[in-house]
Amino acid sequence: DAKTTQPTSMDCAEGRAANLPCNHSTISGNEYVYWYRQIHSQGPQYIIHGLKNNETNEMASLIITEDRKSSTLILPHATLRDTAVYYCIVRRRDNYGQNFVFGPGTRLSVLP
Amino acid sequence: GAVVSQHPSWVICKSGTSVKIECRSLDFQATTMFWYRQFPKQSLMLMATSNEGSKATYEQGVEKDKFLINHASLTLSTLTVTSAHPEDSSFYICSARGERVDGEQYFGPGTRLTVT
Repeated sequence: DAKTTQPTSMDCAEGRAANLPCNHSTISGNEYVYWYRQIHSQGPQYIIHGLKNNETNEMASLIITEDRKSSTLILPHATLRDTAVYYCIVRRRDNYGQNFVFGPGTRLSVLP
Repeated sequence: GAVVSQHPSWVICKSGTSVKIECRSLDFQATTMFWYRQFPKQSLMLMATSNEGSKATYEQGVEKDKFLINHASLTLSTLTVTSAHPEDSSFYICSARGERVDGEQYFGPGTRLTVT
């Protein structure tokens, strides 16, 4: 089962920041928070990941709370091409390495 | 980032036939590959994990005799859907990871399978 909870859907105006929240209250100390997105009928695209510090790359910023029980993905200037399903994933480990368990994600609609 | 390809991108087959889907890591060696299935309006569900040269590990509820996975090289894994039926129609996505256990996992573009 997915270890994260996200809102089912969100809207954002084009050019504004999109803030996507994620709760992962049962995260353990060695688990990372990953964000992927999936545009319709395509494979998931990696966005960003972090352990406990805030992270930023050319696509987005990831803000992780101090207790690590929740995080927020920020797309600073959303465009229409950012319309997608966004998945927040807590990576688990098993004997064969790490798997990704996908929850239902948040369907972000960027509106003109 | 690293590139993972899948072939074919879509396939239509008749009920009872078998279909093979290929997943290739184009610019890195994938020690571990993952196969997911996604039904319409649903999330990705992990089907199996395979390590190069070893037998795949299947998730609970996934029939290993129906979904044959081969990971014979560090750049290629195949998923064969045997005796396909309409309920097997789905979007199949592979993912690959390199040698680092905490490395990123790269996803292929997916294969749309339709069984008539």
